Amino acid sequence: KQEVTQIPAALSVPEGENLVLNCSFTDSAIYNLQWFRQDPGKGLTSLLLIQSSQREQTSGRLNASLDKSSGRSTLYIAASQPGDSATYLCAVEEAGTALIFGKGTTLSVSS
Amino acid sequence: EAQVTQNPRYLITVTGKKLTVTCSQNMNHEYMSWYRQDPGLGLRQIYYSMNVEVTDKGDVPEGYKVSRKEKRNFPLILESPSPNQTSLYFCASSTLGTKKAKTQYFGPGTRLLVL
Repeated sequence: KQEVTQIPAALSVPEGENLVLNCSFTDSAIYNLQWFRQDPGKGLTSLLLIQSSQREQTSGRLNASLDKSSGRSTLYIAASQPGDSATYLCAVEEAGTALIFGKGTTLSVSS
Repeated sequence: EAQVTQNPRYLITVTGKKLTVTCSQNMNHEYMSWYRQDPGLGLRQIYYSMNVEVTDKGDVPEGYKVSRKEKRNFPLILESPSPNQTSLYFCASSTLGTKKAKTQYFGPGTRLLVL
């Protein structure tokens, strides 16, 4: 059964720092991988989706990479800002459409 | 504006009192799904639907029912809620396509407390 792990569980950085969030999954037979952002008490906002045939996707200061063979993905956030403070969730999609989620990394960026 | 809406956003109820959480999407998506989010357990899928009148169980379906009579709506029904169903619930939707990348769009969540 697919398992998704995110490390670290929590991360605190000063404003302006570049940072990397990690996601690993146990079964490489995935259709795609999606990174979400969740603000306290709010819903999930999709940040980036990487298809299984792709290696990376970029959106503004965010860059997500995918290494399917090793079961890893990273989310790189450049020049972090206090507004980036949130929980970041990684999810993989297998056959069908169910998303299997990691437990998330809670990021705090201090000014 | 493309969106998934859920109602109510917050709900306090008592054990055994039937309730329905509604979910609606305006993107003409075939696929809709319900998840629950619990501390330490993350998000887990309850039920999903590939199209009208087609529903199936996810990982944690016990105690829940769903229906898909219209493409845009996918209500979650708790016939006899229990305290262990206290949770944060999310509805999601996306297009279908076996090998096509499809972003899932999530609703704002419904926070349920069962006393």
